[in-house]
Amino acid sequence: GQNIDQPTEMTATEGAIVQINCTYQTSGFNGLFWYQQHAGEAPTFLSYNVLDGLEEKGRFSSFLSRSKGYSYLLLKELQMKDSASYLCAVRVRLGDYKLSFGAGTTVTVRA
Amino acid sequence: GAGVSQSPRYKVAKRGQDVALRCDPISGHVSLFWYQQALGQGPEFLTYFQNEAQLDKSGLPSDRFFAERPEGSVSTLKIQRTQQEDSAVYLCASSISGTTNEKLFFGSGTQLSVL
Repeated sequence: GQNIDQPTEMTATEGAIVQINCTYQTSGFNGLFWYQQHAGEAPTFLSYNVLDGLEEKGRFSSFLSRSKGYSYLLLKELQMKDSASYLCAVRVRLGDYKLSFGAGTTVTVRA
Repeated sequence: GAGVSQSPRYKVAKRGQDVALRCDPISGHVSLFWYQQALGQGPEFLTYFQNEAQLDKSGLPSDRFFAERPEGSVSTLKIQRTQQEDSAVYLCASSISGTTNEKLFFGSGTQLSVL
């Protein structure tokens, strides 16, 4: 099977920065996604990386290193509403539509 | 509707009962996926449709699980003779055309509890 690892939980203070790491060992690689999921709600798309480097989108940035099998999601200027689970997902093969998800990282933002 | 709609939101079944879970994707979306999410885990792929064609059902855990999308829009996931290990949130997702870099739009899921 595919192996996608993320820390289980992280806690940070409002206004701070948090970095969520994701490492993957998969039989192939054709893109990495980050989704945000509030408790009891639908996962929503945050970012997509297929080439090495940093993608910045407002307060959220995502980085990918394919040679290291590593990605991170950076959340800046944390707000209370950012408390959620963050899911890392890999598309393993070109033309394969399904995603393999990690177990998710629960981020708690404290005042 | 504006997003992916799933019903029922919650379903309690006695072990051995059959259940049917419904997904209304975003209008015009070609691709539709079903995922199973156990408590504290990430979603696990179950099956994939492109229009009415079921192109991948490799994630269905047993032959008790069956999915259909007969007219290429609404989809139903059916679980026969439910067992306690089937308890999970069942997520449906759709995407516009199914190209591999497209984001998925998820519904809020059906939480199934088998007693």
